[in-house]
Amino acid sequence: GQSLEQPSEVTAVEGAIVQINCTYQTSGFYGLSWYQQHDGGAPTFLSYNALDGLEETGRFSSFLSRSDSYGYLLLQELQMKDSASYFCAVNNAGNMLTFGGGTRLMVKP
Amino acid sequence: DGGITQSPKYLFRKEGQNVTLSCEQNLNHDAMYWYRQDPGQGLRLIYYSQIVNDFQKGDIAEGYSVSREKKESFPLTVTSAQKNPTAFYLCASSIEGGDTQYFGPGTRLTVL
Repeated sequence: GQSLEQPSEVTAVEGAIVQINCTYQTSGFYGLSWYQQHDGGAPTFLSYNALDGLEETGRFSSFLSRSDSYGYLLLQELQMKDSASYFCAVNNAGNMLTFGGGTRLMVKP
Repeated sequence: DGGITQSPKYLFRKEGQNVTLSCEQNLNHDAMYWYRQDPGQGLRLIYYSQIVNDFQKGDIAEGYSVSREKKESFPLTVTSAQKNPTAFYLCASSIEGGDTQYFGPGTRLTVL
């Protein structure tokens, strides 16, 4: 079977840095993706890590350690518009994604 | 503009009725997917299709059916056999072998 664990909720203040962790157990692994979803909206792709290390895209960075079955999403210089749910997802063979339960991020002024 | 469209945005259905949710994409993607999302939960895969006229069951296919007669279209039918169909349904697509899935705006289905 496959399972992903991530915190259900995180709260931070505007301008701060927040890290959302994700641990996974999977029978097939090609990489770890992160998606953002605002309330009532569609998930949108943020980042993808196939290899160990840090990937940076603007204010967002994502890290993967395949040996530890662990990754995280780092959000810097938090803005109010970053309030959303963030999902980690394991990429399996054939473009397939298995999603975690999501982390609801609340950014306060 | 390229993208994925789903219709309708909100759908109400009486218990015991079948209902079909539309998903169309003009991204020329080969692969398409249907997910179900319950409040405060992650996405669970219902069905996926890698190519026209072929589709595979996902983790929660019971009570659902799909067709893939055209590359652009992947409709999902929620049948009366689905015991708890009230949920948010999301359609997605990707290129073959791609790392990224692109999602439509979703259809919120409520069974009365």
